[in-house]
Amino acid sequence: DTGVSQDPRHKITKRGQNVTFRCDPISEHNRLYWYRQTLGQGPEFLTYFQNEAQLEKSRLLSDRFSAERPKGSFSTLEIQRTEQGDSAMYLCASSLEDPGYTFGSGTRLTVV
Amino acid sequence: SQQGEEDPQALSIQEGENATMNCSYKTSINNLQWYRQNSGRGLVHLILIRSNEREKHSGRLRVTLDTSKKSSSLLITASRAADTASYFCATLPSGGSYIPTFGRGTSLIVHP
Repeated sequence: DTGVSQDPRHKITKRGQNVTFRCDPISEHNRLYWYRQTLGQGPEFLTYFQNEAQLEKSRLLSDRFSAERPKGSFSTLEIQRTEQGDSAMYLCASSLEDPGYTFGSGTRLTVV
Repeated sequence: SQQGEEDPQALSIQEGENATMNCSYKTSINNLQWYRQNSGRGLVHLILIRSNEREKHSGRLRVTLDTSKKSSSLLITASRAADTASYFCATLPSGGSYIPTFGRGTSLIVHP
């Protein structure tokens, strides 16, 4: 287990379709984060899990977005009824108790 | 919302020169971290400095923190073409939050 894995790397979808992304964190990391990044901007926080509990959600996370982390292991981020404004890089990160976050390579979503 | 703001937005230098990037933030922090992001990839953690520290070194990287001015700087000495990337500061607010907030980043280009 060498890092945080995200799948798929790229996703092109038609507007209105649903998409799901997966994140596999470093196995011993109990904290997991989802961020969204658009071109020329820094990552924006979406949601945070500690083990299986979703403890914080950003206002950016509309009701079309849902995230889960069953059994405190991998996590999924689903976007329903995608819109062109959802096009972005979706980043997952994990950490232990001490700060220092390990990021995955991201999933680039393009909504056409 | 973006807590940290990097300055400059873009920096272009020759190989061998030093590169300095600054980060300003608004609220009290527990720690501040710097990350590097190569084009289209995830973020790589470079260095963390805690609120009670003033300076840290890691290889060719030197980070300073001035909590009275709410600012930090990242110095890359003897830059290389491989240092070409975007650099982000991320702040972890004091008060028990586990969610780092990122700035918009500095785009560094090192010409060989």
